[in-house]
Amino acid sequence: DTGVSQDPRHKITKRGQNVTFRCDPISEHNRLYWYRQTLGQGPEFLTYFQNEAQLEKSRLLSDRFSAERPKGSFSTLEIQRTEQGDSAMYLCASSLRQMGSSGYTFGSGTRLTVV
Amino acid sequence: AQTVTQSQPEMSVQEAETVTLSCTYDTSESDYYLFWYKQPPSRQMILVIRQEAYKQQNATENRFSVNFQKAAKSFSLKISDSQLGDAAMYFCAYRHMDSNYQLIWGAGTKLIIKP
Repeated sequence: DTGVSQDPRHKITKRGQNVTFRCDPISEHNRLYWYRQTLGQGPEFLTYFQNEAQLEKSRLLSDRFSAERPKGSFSTLEIQRTEQGDSAMYLCASSLRQMGSSGYTFGSGTRLTVV
Repeated sequence: AQTVTQSQPEMSVQEAETVTLSCTYDTSESDYYLFWYKQPPSRQMILVIRQEAYKQQNATENRFSVNFQKAAKSFSLKISDSQLGDAAMYFCAYRHMDSNYQLIWGAGTKLIIKP
């Protein structure tokens, strides 16, 4: 297992277009998280899944955002009608349910630029 | 609500010297975890070191060590024998022990290593 994979690494899109990102977690990790990181800031929590169930969503996740994790494996994050304020790095991370003191394993992120 | 503050936006250190990055946090909880993550340019977030609040002994990982002052709510990171590869953004993060999903992050400190 090579870790958490995110695709694409970079995405440039025009305002108003829809975009979808994919995250493949570490195979034995049943928890998956999405964070958003803007330049010069720490990550902000968006949502997380335990297996296929979406257990928590941040208020940052407006109705233009939707995340899925079918079959509890990979996850997708879709942004509809993108706005310039959506430009950010979107980070995915995974962990075991009993995370204890361990942290997450992060992917390399998808950098979204809305022009 | 819990908050994490990193008061140093940028720090620089001469190669082979020692540098300390500061982090303070605010919480009313007694059981929690603290983390330092490293994010190199255009690369993924990597866990550097973690500390359980119930442990009095400061965590150490090779050249990285922390000074955990629970009463002062301070969690600084010391990097000894700094190397060029240590150049990165460093983020301090907090997680309540009962929360398995959300990390609260500081804004980060950019560490520059001077050769």
